[in-house]
Amino acid sequence: GNSVTQMEGPVTLSEEAFLTINCTYTATGYPSLFWYVQYPGEGLQLLLKATKADDKGSNKGFEATYRKETTSFHLEKGSVQVSDSAVYFCALTMTGGFKTIFGAGTRLFVKA
Amino acid sequence: NAGVTQTPKFQVLKTGQSMTLQCAQDMNHEYMSWYRQDPGMGLRLIHYSVGAGITDQGEVPNGYNVSRSTTEDFPLRLLSAAPSQTSVYFCASSDGPEKFGYTFGSGTRLTVV
Repeated sequence: GNSVTQMEGPVTLSEEAFLTINCTYTATGYPSLFWYVQYPGEGLQLLLKATKADDKGSNKGFEATYRKETTSFHLEKGSVQVSDSAVYFCALTMTGGFKTIFGAGTRLFVKA
Repeated sequence: NAGVTQTPKFQVLKTGQSMTLQCAQDMNHEYMSWYRQDPGMGLRLIHYSVGAGITDQGEVPNGYNVSRSTTEDFPLRLLSAAPSQTSVYFCASSDGPEKFGYTFGSGTRLTVV
């Protein structure tokens, strides 16, 4: 079946460090890929998305590129801030579908 | 624009009690879903709906019922609460999940004792 695998956390970084959170997927077709962010005590918010291979999603300094050849959608940010501390979820939705499958989430701590 | 509204935010139930978690959206979205979030397990789909009058089971539907009488509302019913249903529950809606992703509510934290 379809699935999403994320790197285990927590990830702890100093402010202004470079961030990478790995995400790989397994799918029988061609999914849309998403990154969501969850701040403490809140629901998930859509951070960025890519709907086809080689698309790059970007928002708030975060980027991720849809790589079909490696079935990956790694999240990157060049310089993290304390305010980026949150849990990040990678997710996929199959083309023509509506059920979204989530990874287990990766917690990020950014120290000042 | 309220988005997706969930009530209550917190609830404590005794084993065997029943209750309804409310979810309402004001964006005229056709697609709505209920997820539960447990530590280390991400979000698991309980039930979903692709429009008023149409619902179906997700990955973990046992012990839960849903209905969708209007586009706006998608309540989740716990029939006979069990400690295994202690979790954080999220409702989400979308105008097209593969194109736009989902908009989430702020969640209901449920404890069953």
